Amino acid sequence: EVQLLESGGDLVQPGGSLRLSCAASGFTFTTYVMSWVRQAPGKGLEWVSGISGSGGSTYYADSVKGRFIISRDNSKNTLYLQMNSLRAEDTAMYYCAKGTVAAIVEWFDLWGQGTLVTVSS
Amino acid sequence: DIQMTQSPSSLSASVGDRVTITCRASQRISSYLNWYQQKPGKAPKFLIYAASSLQSGVPSRFSGSGSGTDFTLTISSLQPEDFAIYYCQQSYSTPPTFGQGTKVEIK
Repeated sequence: EVQLLESGGDLVQPGGSLRLSCAASGFTFTTYVMSWVRQAPGKGLEWVSGISGSGGSTYYADSVKGRFIISRDNSKNTLYLQMNSLRAEDTAMYYCAKGTVAAIVEWFDLWGQGTLVTVSS
Repeated sequence: DIQMTQSPSSLSASVGDRVTITCRASQRISSYLNWYQQKPGKAPKFLIYAASSLQSGVPSRFSGSGSGTDFTLTISSLQPEDFAIYYCQQSYSTPPTFGQGTKVEIK
């Protein structure tokens, strides 16, 4: 079955760190661009970060640049998001999303169920 | 960043109605426009790519059109399972950006 399964969401204090994981199955993981997209409670969708199939190219939203690091382990079919210096405004559901085979971010044709990150003291 | 603006923000419609949602980009994006559906408590579902190409498995009552700055998503005959929030997303340039969403509610 083609699916994405996120984990790692939690309640964390402002300034803290968290690492999210996304396990992929059912498709050739290394072929596809992968992204993280988040959704604050009651709000719309915001793209956070993307990474090429090889992992050699990474992209970030300005809102997280310098604080978040995206990576992937193609031997484990797993995508990661290391989140540092967390702020209250980072509170959101974080979705892992599969992109296309192109080297740039295009559309997202498969989404995980999401993992909730809450930043609060 | 390219700003995407959807209208209306919400609408009420009945089963069987034809529904049209508009998405406008802050600059020309050719046909680099995609649509998603999101139901409460669920992840978004991919519907349409490149403005008018239907993703595999999506019912044919969904269609998309437009190019440049103005795009539309049309549901030809609204079904009970179509009540949801719809988002457009541009893939012309990084960062990809989404519209604020259009909530389709039952009249």
